[in-house]
Amino acid sequence: SQTIHQWPATLVQPVGSPLSLECTVEGTSNPNLYWYRQAAGRGLQLLFYSVGIGQISSEVPQNLSASRPQDRQFILSSKKLLLSDSGFYLCAWSPNHHQPQHFGDGTRLSIL
Amino acid sequence: QQPVQSPQAVILREGEDAVINCSSSKALYSVHWYRQKHGEAPVFLMILLKGGEQKGHEKISASFNEKKQQSSLYLTASQLSYSGTYFCGTERRGANNLFFGTGTRLTVIP
Repeated sequence: SQTIHQWPATLVQPVGSPLSLECTVEGTSNPNLYWYRQAAGRGLQLLFYSVGIGQISSEVPQNLSASRPQDRQFILSSKKLLLSDSGFYLCAWSPNHHQPQHFGDGTRLSIL
Repeated sequence: QQPVQSPQAVILREGEDAVINCSSSKALYSVHWYRQKHGEAPVFLMILLKGGEQKGHEKISASFNEKKQQSSLYLTASQLSYSGTYFCGTERRGANNLFFGTGTRLTVIP
């Protein structure tokens, strides 16, 4: 069966520090991968999605970037975090865009 | 491009029914429904691919009116476990991603 792993579960970072969140999927190949951000009590904002290695589409201009160095690995990065980057970050995968998305447990990021 | 959900919040007593609506200003290819418990990740409930299609999951069902670009989620005989925030995700033809609504917070009380 397929599983998705996301880490860390919680992270506290100072303003201006770098960020790297990692997501990996097991039990499938060539999945669609997604990064979402959810502010407290709010909806899901799509940040990036990828349909293959090295293929990244950005939905929202920001100081974040994403990379897909391997088929089942998706990384969210920032060189300098802003206070507004705080939130709940969720990684998700689907076999293709017509299929359900399955979410990781999320990373709760707090910027101080 | 974000679909609009209504109501924003609803409180039910166990056994009562509820309807959550999701509407888009764009033509839709499919609608997905998810439920998120507090502090947890969203969990997939169902997907509707064809106009007029209805699907069910336990006592939760949904419909999709392709012409009106709307979907509705029906929760019947609600249980305490139904509490959470419900999101619809809309897929446009030719797109590789979903746009999620703002969510409907459902609270079921004894």
